[in-house]
Amino acid sequence: DAGVTQSPTHLIKTRGQQVTLRCSPKSGHDTVSWYQQALGQGPQFIFQYYEEEERQRGNFPDRFSGHQFPNYSSELNVNALLLGDSALYLCASSLDQGNEQFFGPGTRLTVL
Amino acid sequence: QKEVEQNSGPLSVPEGAIASLNCTYSDRVSQSFFWYRQYSGKSPELIMSIYSNGDKEDGRFTAQLNKASQYVSLLIRDSQPSDSATYLCAVVSWEGNEKLTFGTGTRLTIIP
Repeated sequence: DAGVTQSPTHLIKTRGQQVTLRCSPKSGHDTVSWYQQALGQGPQFIFQYYEEEERQRGNFPDRFSGHQFPNYSSELNVNALLLGDSALYLCASSLDQGNEQFFGPGTRLTVL
Repeated sequence: QKEVEQNSGPLSVPEGAIASLNCTYSDRVSQSFFWYRQYSGKSPELIMSIYSNGDKEDGRFTAQLNKASQYVSLLIRDSQPSDSATYLCAVVSWEGNEKLTFGTGTRLTIIP
């Protein structure tokens, strides 16, 4: 049973650039949520996708956008990168209304 | 007041003893509660979920929920060095909400 997968594992970008992170949910799951985790902090909710629509959004600027595909996989896009965007980006999948969310290995983004 | 509060630790416990991790939350209508374990440099791993008052046991782990006191705890019996990690408490605040709100985590060290 394949778990949640994310790519790439690590990424280094410079300020002002754009980045796309990818996530494939656990088999059987239809809902994908994205979180940002800064060093020493708990994950912060960015947004959630269900049925290819953004269902819920946290307190992140419009520079953060996403997409969900018909096969339930998802992308997180960040435009105009800032130094403060350096963090571990986590994708979590769940079965709609199931509440239990399972995390992928994360993408470590470094902005220089 | 933070929505979800945990003692950041570090909490040091001798091998074989019981480790007790605590979490308080501010939203009285919170519905669902989760404990995640996160090893250094890795992503969070779901270890327990609890939805109603009382105790829930799974192997060496026991989650305890007291909604009147807005308090949730995790007990780890017969602590092993492999239990050394950061433990994150997460809360879903209201029915229909899918966002996990995390505490900052408690760093646990099991001393051989």
